[in-house]
Parts: sequence; C-alpha cells; structure tokens
Amino acid sequence: DADVTQTPRNRITKTGKRIMLECSQTKGHDRMYWYRQDPGLGLRLIYYSFDVKDINKGEISDGYSVSRQAQAKFSLSLESAIPNQTALYFCATSDRASGGAPYNEQFFGPGTRLTVL
Amino acid sequence: KNQVEQSPQSLIILEGKNCTLQCNYTVSPFSNLRWYKQDTGRGPVSLTIMTFSENTKSNGRYTATLDADTKQSSLHITASQLSDSASYICVVSSFSGGYNKLIFGAGTRLAVHP
Repeated sequence: DADVTQTPRNRITKTGKRIMLECSQTKGHDRMYWYRQDPGLGLRLIYYSFDVKDINKGEISDGYSVSRQAQAKFSLSLESAIPNQTALYFCATSDRASGGAPYNEQFFGPGTRLTVL
Repeated sequence: KNQVEQSPQSLIILEGKNCTLQCNYTVSPFSNLRWYKQDTGRGPVSLTIMTFSENTKSNGRYTATLDADTKQSSLHITASQLSDSASYICVVSSFSGGYNKLIFGAGTRLAVHP
C-alpha cells in the first residue's frame, strides 16, 4: 500500500463550490504539506503543518484553508473554488529535522487533479 | 529572490543514448539540492540528494553533480530506457525556521523514444 494517499485523484467542480481534498499517510511522519503544480511552474507550497496543533501558511495560501485532524491526516479546502485554482495538488510528508540534519526528505502522494469550470 | 531554473524545458532522445539536464539556482541559505523524477500522473520521487560538500552522487544510471561555487547542478542519465520518460525536477532546500523549505524548478520533460 502507498505510504501517502490522496483522495479524490480527480475532481471536476464548478466555480463557487466548496471542495475538500484529503491526504493520509502511514509513514508516521509529524510534518505534512500541501503543494500545487501548474504547467511550466515549479511546485508551490500552500500550507504546512508540523504537528496536529500547528498550521502555517505557505507562499500561496489565499483562497485555501487546511485542517490537521490527526497526525496521519491533513486536508485542504477550497471554500469557494475559482477557475485559476485548476491545478495538480500534492500532499507531502517528512520526518522532523533531527539535530538540524539537512536531509529530511519530503515524500509525495500521487496527486489530485482538480478542474474548476 | 530564491529561484531554480532548469534547462532544457523538454528533451527527446533515443533509447540507449545518454543525456544531461541542467539546473541553475539562486537560493540562500543553501541546505541541499535534490533531483526528483516525476512520472506522468504520479508524485515526485527523490533520485539524489547532495549537500554543499558533495559534488557527485550516483543512483544507478543517474549521476548528479553539484558546483556550489557557480550554483549549478546537472543530472546525467546513462544508457536511457523507455522508463526514463518523465519530468525531472531540480529542488533546492533552504533550511530555516526548523525545516527545509523546498524551492522547485519547473522541470525538464524527457521523452525516450525506441
């Protein structure tokens, strides 16, 4: 089974609808992240969380909100979807940095393709 | 501004040939540089990770180099296979605030043809 799973894998919705994307992980990692990927651009960070009580904005958080319900679950919501939120969304996890070690790698889910009409 | 630029944007090669992908970055402070492979419809998967003091790292037919002075990296693929068709993403980490912030390049889309 995949370590990081995302649901749904594909979603088509209309402008103004509320959408929730779910992410679950079995890696036991404390840290979870949401990114979006647009054609011709690198992945951009939307929100990240270091534990259940911690939520931090990334570089493009406007129009999004998140919820960290448990260590293993991190959901992304679009309260009122708009067409320019059409993108590929990735969840990622990482272990906490140990002693400042720079190697704490992020592991990505398979992505959710969201289309807003 | 922290940036990662990759070239070429896309590349087509014949099976069995070698190729080299380029990455230039302006990221500070620098923590490490990673190359990811992203198959169509999948999330990125790490190929190599290099810190400031490492200038070469291999993973099978993939060899990454890092020149921290010129802030350039390359990914060399030897004896390409059809399964190498994917996007290759250069990612530079900047460690601050207790975690590695990742700055992503836009990727190079590689197509390997028989």
